[in-house]
Amino acid sequence: DIVMTQSPSFVSASVGDRVTITCRASQDISTWLAWYQQKPGKAPRLLISEASTLQSGVPSRFSGSGSGTDFTLTISSLQSEDFATYYCQQAHTFPLIFGGGTEVDIQ
Amino acid sequence: QLQLQESGPGLLKPSETLSLTCQVSGGSVNNNNYYWGWIRQPPGKGLEWIGSIYYSGATYYNPSLKSRVIISADTSKNYFSLKMTSVTAADTAIYFCAKHTAAGGDWFDPWGHGTLVSVSS
Repeated sequence: DIVMTQSPSFVSASVGDRVTITCRASQDISTWLAWYQQKPGKAPRLLISEASTLQSGVPSRFSGSGSGTDFTLTISSLQSEDFATYYCQQAHTFPLIFGGGTEVDIQ
Repeated sequence: QLQLQESGPGLLKPSETLSLTCQVSGGSVNNNNYYWGWIRQPPGKGLEWIGSIYYSGATYYNPSLKSRVIISADTSKNYFSLKMTSVTAADTAIYFCAKHTAAGGDWFDPWGHGTLVSVSS
């Protein structure tokens, strides 16, 4: 199975900060990677598919990059509504595997 | 607009069988473009894919759960189901259903709201 390693597991940041989250796959998954945002008590929300494709309605301050084994989610200027937990997910092969999550908290 | 809604018992005893359904509206389970999946999240923890079903009935399971899980679909009533046998406290989680695309990436969108299943004696 492909192992997805996400880091850091916790980020303390302020409004306006640039935040970068990384996700590493244990083998080449091309660009078959998704990023999700989850707020407490809610289902995850798909933010980015195919490593860098922003979903409709997702603010442009979110961006994704990478291919192969190393991927990045960047929030260019953190807003109050962005405080949440973020997960990556490999979409290359079954079993579908999520990263461990990164909690973005208010500093 | 495609919507998914989970339902099922919220409290089980150890060794019982978990049975959940996911009602699909605004789209058809019998669509060759989609898989229909189950994902769970233990309280305070991360996401775990349980398995998925294709419109043809083909199923795909997480190897860690495969021996206890069956996913099926009822195309006439437009829902799909999860059965998990011999539950333990470790199966306590929020269970989500979600759609993923058969061609061009298995990312989950949309998701149901989730349903909490607790296993306790």
